[in-house]
Amino acid sequence: AQKITQTQPGMFVQEKEAVTLDCTYDTSDQSYGLFWYKQPSSGEMIFLIYQGSYDEQNATEGRYSLNFQKARKSANLVISASQLGDSAMYFCAMREDFNAGGTSYGKLTFGQGTILTVHP
Amino acid sequence: SAVISQKPSRDICQRGTSLTIQCQVDSQVTMMFWYRQQPGQSLTLIATANQGSEATYESGFVIDKFPISRPNLTFSTLTVSNMSPEDSSIYLCSVAKNGREAFFGQGTRLTVV
Repeated sequence: AQKITQTQPGMFVQEKEAVTLDCTYDTSDQSYGLFWYKQPSSGEMIFLIYQGSYDEQNATEGRYSLNFQKARKSANLVISASQLGDSAMYFCAMREDFNAGGTSYGKLTFGQGTILTVHP
Repeated sequence: SAVISQKPSRDICQRGTSLTIQCQVDSQVTMMFWYRQQPGQSLTLIATANQGSEATYESGFVIDKFPISRPNLTFSTLTVSNMSPEDSSIYLCSVAKNGREAFFGQGTRLTVV
């Protein structure tokens, strides 16, 4: 069974500083995907970044980057130049990959989340 | 990115009643997923909805309580039946796109009184 662990219930960062949100995972699958989402108080889930298990380079999307260390089974999210609007809950998730008729798909398993607060 | 329209965005319901949540996707997708997020908790998968077949439910969730319809490749509904205060949660639908993205609807914040 897949398991996702986020050990930081809450994190604080000063505006314009960088922050790292930790995520470790456990799976016996060789093919899997790792996701990060932002959930503001409105409750919507905003997709931030994706890393495939076979991707050779760490994923980057604007101010977001994913520090993927496959041997250590970690997929930490790095937010650079934090903004006040980054204050939210952040979830790490893992998707199991398999094929049916040539299409890869799968459900997501989520960590417990980290509440990030950005101070001015 | 996929655009997912989910409604209602929120509702307050009486115990014992049922609520149907709708998700409309702007493109055809094979799989749609329904998640529940209880207050202060993470997301938990309720079921996976395939077009043309019965939904696959996760452990702890049953069809009588959470019936799902998937009439075509762009639409699905989740019904929360015979509601109790313990059903107060955010319910979210999700779709996977091109293997590298997974998007969510805006969520339905349900309060049962």
